[in-house]
Amino acid sequence: GAVVSQHPSRVICKSGTSVKIECRSLDFQATTMFWYRQFPKQSLMLMATSNEGSKATYEQGVEKDKFLINHASLTLSTLTVTSAHPEDSSFYICSAAAAGHGTNYGYTFGSGTRLTVV
Amino acid sequence: GDSVTQMEGPVTLSEEAFLTINCTYTATGYPSLFWYVQYPGEGLQLLLKATKADDKGSNKGFEATYRKETTSFHLEKGSVQVSDSAVYFCALRGGNDYKLSFGAGTTVTVRA
Repeated sequence: GAVVSQHPSRVICKSGTSVKIECRSLDFQATTMFWYRQFPKQSLMLMATSNEGSKATYEQGVEKDKFLINHASLTLSTLTVTSAHPEDSSFYICSAAAAGHGTNYGYTFGSGTRLTVV
Repeated sequence: GDSVTQMEGPVTLSEEAFLTINCTYTATGYPSLFWYVQYPGEGLQLLLKATKADDKGSNKGFEATYRKETTSFHLEKGSVQVSDSAVYFCALRGGNDYKLSFGAGTTVTVRA
């Protein structure tokens, strides 16, 4: 089945530094990838949608200069948290939709990245 | 817009008990419905899905039936195990939208 690999699984960084999270579709081409943020004991909040070769679409209230998304190929999307601060600490999850899949398909999710900013 | 309302937890059960997690939705058109499961510290895994009215999704002993008349997609399992302890999310994908709308999630704890 479809597999999405997300790295790193955990990262601790100092305040003011940047962190890059990678999301790779291993056995399918992902035309669309989604980035979510999940706060403790809460649901997933969609941050942005990225389509291969074009600029990401950010949800309202998400700072695009803070959360840089690049979807340079059909198998890789990256989320860079720039100038991270403790309030950016969270669980970030990516998901991917395969090319040609219609609305009756769910998406494949990565295993998530626990970001802690100290 | 599309939305999902899910039974609040947490839910604590004994092993072999019956589990029901209620989920209702609001959507235009004919959405596809999903249940995802999240184990501690992990991403989401698709548990089951249904793409049209009266479809029943099933997997690992879990079942959910797409009820258009009541706009519901309740999750059930007849006999839970400790390994079923997780957070369960109901979600929908609308016919005109690529986005998934998630419910708030229900934490289920099964005690031996």
